[in-house]
Amino acid sequence: SFELTQPLSVTVALGQTATITCGGNNIGGKNVHWYQQRPGQAPVLVIYRDTNRPSGIPERFSGSNSGNTATLTITGAQAGDEADYYCQVWDSGMVFGGGSKLTVL
Amino acid sequence: QMQLQESGPGLVKPSETLSLTCTVSGGSISNFHWGWIRQSPGKGLEWIGFISYTGNSNYNPSLKSRVTISLDTPNNQFSLTLKSVTAVDTAVYYCARVFGRDSSGYYADYWVRGTLVTVSS
Repeated sequence: SFELTQPLSVTVALGQTATITCGGNNIGGKNVHWYQQRPGQAPVLVIYRDTNRPSGIPERFSGSNSGNTATLTITGAQAGDEADYYCQVWDSGMVFGGGSKLTVL
Repeated sequence: QMQLQESGPGLVKPSETLSLTCTVSGGSISNFHWGWIRQSPGKGLEWIGFISYTGNSNYNPSLKSRVTISLDTPNNQFSLTLKSVTAVDTAVYYCARVFGRDSSGYYADYWVRGTLVTVSS
């Protein structure tokens, strides 16, 4: 089965740019989706099909996908962006990465 | 604005069947796909399966022998049953709207606050 690898934790200074990676074998050939999960809340879709933002998601969230790595970028990270972030692909079923905890200092 | 509301018991005994229902309001269940995802305490997300508005279903192979997801179109609901539960099935269970197609894959574009189901005697 397809495996997705994410860093356990990512730290960013307030107002700086955070990048969260999602590795997988030729993941660039798949559509990657990203979810934000704040503590005690349900996940929220923040990026779908590599680069698209759902309605209501701030422009500071962006995504890219190429080769063996997909990336979620948060430009100008805010305190409210502290959360767990999960990448996901479809491989005969939904496959999730292990999640990355974003800390904003 | 479409809304989803989960219902079902928060405690299930080992070897029994877990049953949860998700009620959809503000839109027709017939226009979308619907799925279930769970999250064990302190862990990541695990896909359980989804059902298409056509009634076709797709399950996680690791759970397939124990899982059924069904549609109740007249009541705008869909349900999850998981048989023969054990402590490892203790998790927060989320129902979600699923979007996509076979050619490009699927993702959950709208999730509802989940239900903690504890398996314990």
